[in-house]
Amino acid sequence: ETGVTQSPTHLIKTRGQQVTLRCSSQSGHNTVSWYQQALGQGPQFIFQYYREEENGRGNFPPRFSGLQFPNYSSELNVNALELDDSALYLCASSPSGSEADTQYFGPGTRLTVL
Amino acid sequence: AQSVTQPDIHITVSEGASLELRCNYSYGATPYLFWYVQSPGQGLQLLLKYFSGDTLVQGIKGFEAEFKRSQSSFNLRKPSVHWSDAAEYFCAVYGATNKLIFGTGTLLAVQP
Repeated sequence: ETGVTQSPTHLIKTRGQQVTLRCSSQSGHNTVSWYQQALGQGPQFIFQYYREEENGRGNFPPRFSGLQFPNYSSELNVNALELDDSALYLCASSPSGSEADTQYFGPGTRLTVL
Repeated sequence: AQSVTQPDIHITVSEGASLELRCNYSYGATPYLFWYVQSPGQGLQLLLKYFSGDTLVQGIKGFEAEFKRSQSSFNLRKPSVHWSDAAEYFCAVYGATNKLIFGTGTLLAVQP
């Protein structure tokens, strides 16, 4: 069974640029959630996708957007990057989007904005 | 508002000593509670979870946690810490809008 994978591992961008981060869910999982973890903080919920539809969103501006594909892989897009967007971005997959599900996390993408 | 508080930012214990990491939550309904561990440069690994039933939950790596509704707490314990347990530990509650709400974490150092 393949776990959750994310790419790339590290990324450096400059202010104002756009970035796309990718996540492959664990086999059999149809729900993916994205989190932002700033240095020294706990992860903050960005949004969740269930069967290709957004299924909940945290307190992040619209320049954070996402997609989920028919194979349940996912992308996180961030436009107009700001310095404060520097963080570890984590995706997590779960079997069905139920609150009773366990979320399984990938290793994360470290984004640095200069 | 739903929230999780981990009062201890950093804890150091000796190898072989017992460990207790504190977690307090604020949530109106019956909470779904989790403990995750994060090693440097890694994602989060689930240690254990509480949904209902027995308030003492057993997890992986010899960890356990006890849910106390009267104290709004879900403290993590381990009777004997190993050097490999050094990591950051996060308590989380499943909140509205399908999100996990995390505490700020407790960084555990283990000295020989």
